[in-house]
Amino acid sequence: DQQVKQNSPSLSVQEGRISILNCDYTNSMFDYFLWYKKYPAEGPTFLISISSIKDKNEDGRFTVFLNKSAKHLSLHIVPSQPGDSAVYFCAASEDNYGQNFVFGPGTRLSVLP
Amino acid sequence: SQTIHQWPATLVQPVGSPLSLECTVEGTSNPNLYWYRQAAGRGLQLLFYSVGIGQISSEVPQNLSASRPQDRQFILSSKKLLLSDSGFYLCAWSWGSSYNEQFFGPGTRLTVL
Repeated sequence: DQQVKQNSPSLSVQEGRISILNCDYTNSMFDYFLWYKKYPAEGPTFLISISSIKDKNEDGRFTVFLNKSAKHLSLHIVPSQPGDSAVYFCAASEDNYGQNFVFGPGTRLSVLP
Repeated sequence: SQTIHQWPATLVQPVGSPLSLECTVEGTSNPNLYWYRQAAGRGLQLLFYSVGIGQISSEVPQNLSASRPQDRQFILSSKKLLLSDSGFYLCAWSWGSSYNEQFFGPGTRLTVL
């Protein structure tokens, strides 16, 4: 049973428009969330994080929203650029040292020029 | 600055042969270290993590083992590879404190024939 779900395996967006990537979780003890971006044949790179005491965190073109009651978070990319084309992983943790991150299956984003 | 090295980048091994993947981190001390496998449809699966020399925690039962002989060295091993061990293996590190993102190495593509 997957504790972190990304129900859209892929997403296509036109350049300049908004990309919205969704993530749902089942474990109510999760209180820290991250998004990673991964290009083929490379390791994931950290994008943005949010803790459960906040409902929004923004960093440049990237904004993460957290809805604790719905156990849902989303990553917004505005405006989308072709270089954003990658696989995006959502990850969640419940322990104090953030060791045991549980990753979702990923969503492949394609930004079309 | 900190860097993480992982080698080899690709590896093709016959079934039943041993495995040794190495990961080293530079520019930090006493990091938390992690081994992940990227599995199709399951995202990044945590295999092992270590909070210090000689301290290994295993997340899933499997044909693999991990060791941390030095502070910044993490090794993934197997005595006899199985076909199902094929995959993309990622090493990561994080600061040894609360809620920090993990930094990933470039990964090793392992093919077991």
